[in-house]
Amino acid sequence: SQQGEEDPQALSIQEGENATMNCSYKTSINNLQWYRQNSGRGLVHLILIRSNEREKHSGRLRVTLDTSKKSSSLLITASRAADTASYFCATDVSGGYNKLIFGAGTRLAVHP
Amino acid sequence: DTGVSQDPRHKITKRGQNVTFRCDPISEHNRLYWYRQTLGQGPEFLTYFQNEAQLEKSRLLSDRFSAERPKGSFSTLEIQRTEQGDSAMYLCASSPTRGDYGYTFGSGTRLTVV
Repeated sequence: SQQGEEDPQALSIQEGENATMNCSYKTSINNLQWYRQNSGRGLVHLILIRSNEREKHSGRLRVTLDTSKKSSSLLITASRAADTASYFCATDVSGGYNKLIFGAGTRLAVHP
Repeated sequence: DTGVSQDPRHKITKRGQNVTFRCDPISEHNRLYWYRQTLGQGPEFLTYFQNEAQLEKSRLLSDRFSAERPKGSFSTLEIQRTEQGDSAMYLCASSPTRGDYGYTFGSGTRLTVV
């Protein structure tokens, strides 16, 4: 079963615009992570936010976490065509063996 | 270290045949994970090793599936009597034991059962 749900399922924007993806989850977590996957390839880790953190930045990425609402958002600023990929949130569930549970992903298309 | 390696990249097999995939994790990583991903979906957890010990198996891992990690280094995932429903991308990932770290994924093995 998948604990995370991303919204929207698909997003199409122009280069230079910002892209925002949301993730909701169901149970308590140790941390939440975002990954990118280019078509037919493996996943690449983007950023990790711990349960006691509210916001984190990495380059053009900004992640927020609201544990009271069990939700997170990923903002990509000044998007580029190379950002075109699927983006997944993954939760490290409390009490587990630190295995990640992934959502179904958001497919982002950035047009030149 | 060149990251997580998976072999083969692609495998086409006839229904009923057995297949085996290999994963070589980052050498310093004690944890190794197998996931399965179908088109348009996120990765689904299959199993997890810490060193050579298999600590958790998903209910998705039927009796036809077996995974090993001898000596805590590389891992193999075997599927016996393959079915068309086994067609998917099989992903391997590794991570350090302690601390909050992301996973490093391999490029995956795409299995097609015909």
